[in-house]
Formats: sequence, structure tokens, C-alpha cells
Amino acid sequence: GIQVEQSPPDLILQEGANSTLRCNFSDSVNNLQWFHQNPWGQLINLFYIPSGTKQNGRLSATTVATERYSLLYISSSQTTDSGVYFCAGGNQFYFGTGTSLTVIP
Amino acid sequence: EAGVTQSPTHLIKTRGQQATLRCSPISGHTSVYWYQQALGLGLQFLLWYDEGEERNRGNFPPRFSGRQFPNYSSELNVNALELEDSALYLCASSLGTGYQPQHFGDGTRLSIL
Repeated sequence: GIQVEQSPPDLILQEGANSTLRCNFSDSVNNLQWFHQNPWGQLINLFYIPSGTKQNGRLSATTVATERYSLLYISSSQTTDSGVYFCAGGNQFYFGTGTSLTVIP
Repeated sequence: EAGVTQSPTHLIKTRGQQATLRCSPISGHTSVYWYQQALGLGLQFLLWYDEGEERNRGNFPPRFSGRQFPNYSSELNVNALELEDSALYLCASSLGTGYQPQHFGDGTRLSIL
């Protein structure tokens, strides 16, 4: 199957800081998604981004499909951004192991 | 608009029993996906149904099965429960066929004693 690597595995930020999360795939995928799992376990779809760049408020994502990676940018982080960020893709919807983000006030 | 709803919230079973988990997709969504999130194993894809047909299946034994009903709701059945089946089971739905953004329910926590 496809291997999905996410980095960094853990991240602690001061409120207001910016961050970049990375997702690498071992093979091409055409259905890449980013999700946020909040501390209560709810999974929220952030972006469906097989290629290109999208923005939604303080979040944006860029996927370079030819190089098999995607980046998630979080600007002006807030405590509500805390949780685990997952990327996923492929015909078996392979998930990465996630980046655990903690934003401290 | 109601989101993806799953029931029950929690389910406690013993080894060897059978479990049935249910999922209602977002109105207008025809695809339903099932995932297992077990401690230490991450999120793993189980099944994908669309228009009543199984479209794809993850690397799980046949005792994990499911179906999708004409109203697009879905059931996941797990037979001959084993201790390692203890996990959060998440259902997601999306529009139409092909790859679409998936929207998740809150999950069913299955505990095997």
C-alpha cells in the first residue's frame, strides 16, 4: 500500500504563531484530503486538494501532485486549532499518522 | 443541514459476539465509508459503499462486512468479535461516485471485554 508520512509528529505553538505541516506520499494520489481531529475526537474535513492551492480563512493548503506532497499552513494560530491534523489519499484512503498540534495561550 | 449520524455512541460486547453499527449520511450523499481508529494503529479504511454497491474494501478479514440500504444509510457488521476489534469506528459520507470530500460522523466506540 501507499505510505503516508506526516511531519512534524508534534508541534507546540504560542497563540498567534504560524505553522506549516507536511504530508508526503510514497506514490501518486489524486484524492488528497486534510482533516482536523479535535480533542473530542471529531474529524473535520479541512480541504479536498488533489492539486493546487486552496484557502479557507486562516488555513491554506498546497498540493504538488507531481512531487507527491502537500502542505497545510495555519496562520495566526488559536487555541481552538489544537488537535491532530491528518492527510489522507489513495484508492484505499490511506491516512498518515498525524501531526499533533497544541496551541498555548 | 444534519451531519453524518452514527449509532450507537458506545457499544460493549464480549469476545465471540457480533456487533452492528449504523450510519446515516448527509442528505444528498450517496457514498458511505467506514474506518477503524484503533489505539496505536491510526485510521484504517474498512469499506466504501456507493449506490448500494461495495466499491472498495480495506485489508480486513471477511468477518467485517456491511451493506448500504436504498436510503443510503449503512450498517457495519463485525462477527466473532476479538479483543483487538476494540476501537472507534468512524463513518463518513460524500457526494456521488469517484473521489469526493468526505465528512465524518462522531463515531461508535466499540469495546470488547
